Amino acid sequence: EAGVAQSPRYKIIEKRQSVAFWCNPISGHATLYWYQQILGQGPKLLIQFQNNGVVDDSQLPKDRFSAERLKGVDSTLKIQPAKLEDSAVYLCASSLRGVQNTEAFFGQGTRLTVV
Amino acid sequence: DAKTTQPNSMESNEEEPVHLPCNHSTISGTDYIHWYRQLPSQGPEYVIHGLTSNVNNRMASLAIAEDRKSSTLILHRATLRDAAVYYCIPRTYSGAGSYQLTFGKGTKLSVIP
Repeated sequence: EAGVAQSPRYKIIEKRQSVAFWCNPISGHATLYWYQQILGQGPKLLIQFQNNGVVDDSQLPKDRFSAERLKGVDSTLKIQPAKLEDSAVYLCASSLRGVQNTEAFFGQGTRLTVV
Repeated sequence: DAKTTQPNSMESNEEEPVHLPCNHSTISGTDYIHWYRQLPSQGPEYVIHGLTSNVNNRMASLAIAEDRKSSTLILHRATLRDAAVYYCIPRTYSGAGSYQLTFGKGTKLSVIP
């Protein structure tokens, strides 16, 4: 089965610019997660969707980050404007039904460098 | 949320068993313990999960203490490909009938040829 697809793989932008990441989860997976992973740290959950509704966005910096999941399938994560501290790998993951008793599948991530 | 404690790093010789410990003393009675690993430049990948009893799959075994305050991931024969950061994660309820995984710092496993 096809895995979680993310694009782009790498992105370099200047601070104060905007950037968007795209995620295509595994077909049929209701739950979609976006994580931010700063170098040397574990992934930090930014937002969780169940179908096209937000379940948890308590750690999303809403003044600059936004995410949507239209039609409960693909998702985009946007940063506007970017700051230097946003340099990180952004990981998308999906799960059949929110890791209740199943696993989450992760994409390879998008490495963002803000200069 | 349940907190976990793992060693920062461990070493193992190739083809020897590895026991990766995790303390999760505040875990609730209904939260599964999940283990994921992350190879360099890759996204995390699922290893195993369990609730109360020991679990085995093709990748590893998971031994859960009777009081559920700790667990141990067992790799039966370490290979160079097993060098990764291993995360012990209690699954937590996030609302709307859904759950999430909260990652800590994990244990970096080095495998010596």
